[in-house]
Amino acid sequence: AQSVAQPEDQVNVAEGNPLTVKCTYSVSGNPYLFWYVQYPNRGLQFLLKYITGDNLVKGSYGFEAEFNKSQTSFHLKKPSALVSDSALYFCAVRDMRGSGGSYIPTFGRGTSLIVHP
Amino acid sequence: EAQVTQNPRYLITVTGKKLTVTCSQNMNHEYMSWYRQDPGLGLRQIYYSMNVEVTDKGDVPEGYKVSRKEKRNFPLILESPSPNQTSLYFCASRVNTGELFFGEGSRLTVL
Repeated sequence: AQSVAQPEDQVNVAEGNPLTVKCTYSVSGNPYLFWYVQYPNRGLQFLLKYITGDNLVKGSYGFEAEFNKSQTSFHLKKPSALVSDSALYFCAVRDMRGSGGSYIPTFGRGTSLIVHP
Repeated sequence: EAQVTQNPRYLITVTGKKLTVTCSQNMNHEYMSWYRQDPGLGLRQIYYSMNVEVTDKGDVPEGYKVSRKEKRNFPLILESPSPNQTSLYFCASRVNTGELFFGEGSRLTVL
């Protein structure tokens, strides 16, 4: 079985400050990890993913995420937050060895990021 | 432009009145899926399809049906909607590199 935990329902940060949105995962094999963003009244948009290789992954809109195998984490980060980054962020995991039902990602419950001016 | 198109975007209906939410993608993706999004519960998968004529249940399939008669379309059918199916629904297809491409969502209210 695979699962994802996003321990914070909401993260508040001041504009210009660094931000971190936390994600931990559990899979039987090696993970494929994803971050998506959802702006109000919109569908989810893909931000970045980790498949293999460098532990630091760079994605859209200046976001990056760090894969930490020993801590089973994939935290989303950005060096300097913008008010326009305010949105709902979802972490997702898929077991690399998966097939059938586990061939599709499991999503976390989402973290609301609020960036204050 | 690559798109996953859902219709209707908003719908208010009454208990027991059959409805269909359509989903169409123009990217020739083999894999498609339906999710529902509820506050505090995140995204939960309803059904998915690995290819034409191949569908399978996700985590919360009760009360829903799907069909995949052609690659581009994956409609979600509520035969007898109930108030607990009031939710925000998303259709998605999967890019070859693994990530999902989502539609804009369909907000359904069942009275």
